[in-house]
Amino acid sequence: GQQVMQIPQYQHVQEGEDFTTYCNSSTTLSNIQWYKQRPGGHPVFLIQLVKSGEVKKQKRLTFQFGEAKKNSSLHITATQTTDVGTYFCAGYQGAQKLVFGQGTRLTINP
Amino acid sequence: DGGITQSPKYLFRKEGQNVTLSCEQNLNHDAMYWYRQDPGQGLRLIYYSQIVNDFQKGDIAEGYSVSREKKESFPLTVTSAQKNPTAFYLCASSMWGAVTEAFFGQGTRLTVV
Repeated sequence: GQQVMQIPQYQHVQEGEDFTTYCNSSTTLSNIQWYKQRPGGHPVFLIQLVKSGEVKKQKRLTFQFGEAKKNSSLHITATQTTDVGTYFCAGYQGAQKLVFGQGTRLTINP
Repeated sequence: DGGITQSPKYLFRKEGQNVTLSCEQNLNHDAMYWYRQDPGQGLRLIYYSQIVNDFQKGDIAEGYSVSREKKESFPLTVTSAQKNPTAFYLCASSMWGAVTEAFFGQGTRLTVV
């Protein structure tokens, strides 16, 4: 079945530094979603990418979908303490089976 | 308010006992999901349901059971056959189709002693 792999597993940065997490799928994805889970909380949807090569921005967050639709990345520019949490990518296997990557846990030194 | 509700937030059970986790949504969503999250781990899919009276096994279904008798409800039973049941359980729902976001409940932290 489809495997969604995410790296790195952990990332610690100084506040103000940039952060990037990468997501790779063993199969072509129809779309990719990104979620954020704050410590002690539940995952919250951030964005969805559908088109090959698509790039979307949300303030300091930049999301990319690879040309082959098998990989994606999330880049945060100039991290802030509010960015702390675990970032997950997710893709649909078939029509309704939503599978998640292992997540990248971001911690920030203020 | 529309949303997805899981109860209870914390649950303690003795080893060998079955326990049922509740998940209710009033978003009129067709699809519902159960995920398990262990410390430092990602979300692993246990079961999912696309429609009432139908559900499919996810990647780690052994030791779990579900039912979907109503569109709004998707309870998960952790049976005594589950070897390591202590974990954080998350329920989610989404509209039908592969281009829709999932909404998550607050989660239930189950501890088996």
